[in-house]
Amino acid sequence: QVHLVQSGAEVQKPGASVKVSCKTSDYNFNSYAFNWVRQVPGQGLEWMGVITTQSGNTNYELKFQDRVTMTRDTATSTVYMEVRNLRSDDTAMYYCALGSGLDYWGQGTLVTVSS
Amino acid sequence: DIQMTQSPSSLSASIGDRVTITCRASQDIGWHVSWFQQRPGKAPKSLIYGATSLQPGVPSRISGSRSGTDFTLTLSSLQSEDFAAYYCLQYKAYPRTFGQGTRVDI
Repeated sequence: QVHLVQSGAEVQKPGASVKVSCKTSDYNFNSYAFNWVRQVPGQGLEWMGVITTQSGNTNYELKFQDRVTMTRDTATSTVYMEVRNLRSDDTAMYYCALGSGLDYWGQGTLVTVSS
Repeated sequence: DIQMTQSPSSLSASIGDRVTITCRASQDIGWHVSWFQQRPGKAPKSLIYGATSLQPGVPSRISGSRSGTDFTLTLSSLQSEDFAAYYCLQYKAYPRTFGQGTRVDI
């Protein structure tokens, strides 16, 4: 069973950036694809993009391409997602999910954007 | 992008009922579909991958099937813990796309 632990809730002002982390203790860290999924309160799931841990290659949903960067740190088995130029409609729960079929999920990180 | 059209958006059911939720893909995606359950205030949980394969620990009353580009999640005898939201996902191509979700209420 793979366990993913995300960083804690964040409150940011419009125009600021936020960086969310997702850590796994699984020894196969270099064999995975980590996806990021967003859920605005009361709404459905929205795929944001993916990073493959072995190569660091990324693939972003077009609407996030200009403001989102996904990175990984193989030394600590951690992936990161940074969202820049935050807007109020970025207020959401952000999840990391591991595997092509999103088999394992982190607990979620609530990001609140408010002035 | 591949569209996943999920129906119904919500349904009311009772304990012991049989419930089916459908996702239709806008093009051929083979067997590359996952189904997720999300209880209120919780992270989604994977139930099925490869359209029909149960994740470890998922009860056998939950099943998935495929007919062409139509994918179905069936809960054969609804239990109290099954009242939740359900989503399909296609992972045949990028961008990955989810269905709009189905809320199962009492």
